[in-house]
Amino acid sequence: DIQLTQSPSFLSASVGDRVTITCRASQGISSYLAWYQQKPGKAPKLLIYAASTLQSGVPSRFSGSGSGTEFTLTISSLQPEDFATYYCQQLNSYPQTFGQGTKLEIK
Amino acid sequence: EVQLVESGGGLVQPGGSLRLSCAASGFTFSSYWMHWVRQAPGKGLVWVSRINSDGSSTSYADSVKGRFTISRDNAKNTLYLQMNSLRAEDTAVYYCARDCTGGVCYDYWGQGTLVTVSS
Repeated sequence: DIQLTQSPSFLSASVGDRVTITCRASQGISSYLAWYQQKPGKAPKLLIYAASTLQSGVPSRFSGSGSGTEFTLTISSLQPEDFATYYCQQLNSYPQTFGQGTKLEIK
Repeated sequence: EVQLVESGGGLVQPGGSLRLSCAASGFTFSSYWMHWVRQAPGKGLVWVSRINSDGSSTSYADSVKGRFTISRDNAKNTLYLQMNSLRAEDTAVYYCARDCTGGVCYDYWGQGTLVTVSS
C-alpha cells in the first residue's frame, strides 16, 4: 500500500497568513493526488485534483503543486472559513489511501 | 444538483450485520464509479470499497475483505454496502462518494451515516 505522510499534523495560523501543507508519498504516484477540506461534522470537500487543478467553485487562494512523491497545498491568504482539517489522497493505485490530516487552527 | 444521501446506519452488536444505502440524484448514476469511505470518531479518512459503473468490478480494503460487499442498482440509482461480521473497529461514519471522470478524485460526497458496533 502507498503511505501518505502530511506535515505538519497541526498548524496554527492567523487570518491573512500564507500557509503550506506538504504531502509525501511512500512511492511515486505521478500526479494522482487530490486535496480535500473537512469541517467538523461535515463531509470532505474536494479542493484540488491531479495535484494542481482547482476544482470548480473553489477560491483561487487555494493552489496545489508537485508530482512523484512530494506535493504541497498552499493557501495564499487565510480566510476565517479556511480553518478546517485538510487531507491529501493518492489515486494512483488501490487502496486509494489518505494522509493522516492537517488540522489548521486559528492562532 | 448532484446529491448523495446515505442511510441504514445505527447501533449493532459485534458479529452483526447492517446494510448501508446511498441514494443518488442529479446525475447519470450508471455512468460513474462509486466508493465508500469511512471515518472513525476523531480519526482520519479511510477508503473502504469501490465499484465500477455497471457493477461488474469491485475492490476492498484488506480490513473489510470477505466481510463487506459493495453493490449497486442502477435502475434505482442506489449504491449499497452490506456489512457482515461487524467488529468494534468498524465503528465509523460511512460516506459514499462519486468518482471523478478519469478517476482522479472524488468530487461529490454524501453527508455520512454513523455505524456503531457495540454490545
